[in-house]
Amino acid sequence: SQTIHQWPATLVQPVGSPLSLECTVEGTSNPNLYWYRQAAGRGLQLLFYSVGIGQISSEVPQNLSASRPQDRQFILSSKKLLLSDSGFYLCAYDLGAGGDEQYFGPGTRLTVT
Amino acid sequence: AQKITQTQPGMFVQEKEAVTLDCTYDTSDPSYGLFWYKQPSSGEMIFLIYQGSYDQQNATEGRYSLNFQKARKSANLVISASQLGDSAMYFCAMRANSGNKLVFGAGTILRVKS
Repeated sequence: SQTIHQWPATLVQPVGSPLSLECTVEGTSNPNLYWYRQAAGRGLQLLFYSVGIGQISSEVPQNLSASRPQDRQFILSSKKLLLSDSGFYLCAYDLGAGGDEQYFGPGTRLTVT
Repeated sequence: AQKITQTQPGMFVQEKEAVTLDCTYDTSDPSYGLFWYKQPSSGEMIFLIYQGSYDQQNATEGRYSLNFQKARKSANLVISASQLGDSAMYFCAMRANSGNKLVFGAGTILRVKS
């Protein structure tokens, strides 16, 4: 069976510090991978998605970046965090377009102070 | 461009009663999928149900059913026999079959009362 992991679960970082969030998927190969951000009480905003190693599509221009160094690993990074980067970050995967549902990781709650 | 609208910020339902959560969508793609997710207070996103745009029958999964009205561009979620554990945020989402992006609505908070 497939599982998706994210870490850390929670993170408190000062403004201007770097960020690295990691997501890994087990039990499948060549998944589509996604990073979402959710502000408190709001819907999900797609940040990045990847259909393969080294292939990253950015949906929202900002100070975040994403990388996919391995088939089942997706990393969200920032060189300098802003207060507005606070939120709940969710990684997701699916195995194709159309009717394939996306499966979500447990999320990382980031607070920038 | 695709858009999902959930007009109910919050809903209350009595335990054991049915509740309908509204969702309307807008898309120019002829082939698409509609999804509902549940997000409890823990934050995890739980997939509930899927409806394809060409499906003739409304999707059902246990106590969840999707009332799909294509001409009205609506995909309402019906939860029958509500339970206290159904209290959560519910998101409607859609994706064109030609693409990868899943577009979410703003969500509806459901509270089940005992």
